[in-house]
Amino acid sequence: QVQLQESGPGLVKPSETLSLTCAVSGYSISSDYYWGWIRQSPGKGLEWIGTIHHSGSTYYNPSLRSRVTISVDTSKSHFSLKLNSMTAADAAVYYCARQTTPAARDNWFHPWGQGTLVTVSS
Amino acid sequence: SYELTQPPSVSVSPGQTASITCSGDKLGDKYACWYQQKPGQSPVLVIYQDKKRPSGIPERFSGSNSGNTATLTISGTQAMDEADYYCQAWDRSIYVVFGGGTKLTVL
Repeated sequence: QVQLQESGPGLVKPSETLSLTCAVSGYSISSDYYWGWIRQSPGKGLEWIGTIHHSGSTYYNPSLRSRVTISVDTSKSHFSLKLNSMTAADAAVYYCARQTTPAARDNWFHPWGQGTLVTVSS
Repeated sequence: SYELTQPPSVSVSPGQTASITCSGDKLGDKYACWYQQKPGQSPVLVIYQDKKRPSGIPERFSGSNSGNTATLTISGTQAMDEADYYCQAWDRSIYVVFGGGTKLTVL
């Protein structure tokens, strides 16, 4: 069964860049599915960050587009998130998940990784 | 931008039926899906394409979507169903929109 595992630093300084990786196992990252990042601020709801296909096609949340880069490495079966100019407002649990086509009306995320907590502090 | 609105909280007695709504402009023309999130855990997909259940999701979970409202219904609610529930839909301007979440309390 497909499993996703996020990894990366739990602490980032203000103005610096967050780098996270999601390792995919039990399923080919080069399949027809897409791979997405979602975050959840403490005590808050879910916010979609962006999504990538193994071909390199990307979709980003317009509110974060200027600061986000998502990439994929099919040889390592993982995809990555970079979010620059971090502020306290970016502190959250960051999840990766498998997604159906984001441009389609019926897209959803399943399954999700366990999430990784990112704190922003100097 | 497109918005999905959920009630912040819903309460239900064990064994009764819980209904959680998700409202958005012409939501019935789109597909809605639902996630369950228990404290300290990742979200889990419980309904997709308005009313389909992923493998392993109990039959007591069902969904509907019409007009401006999608509804998640939990029949014979159990204590283990106490969780936060989020709806999600597609919009051409942003691709992915989540509702604000509803805390289901089983009293």
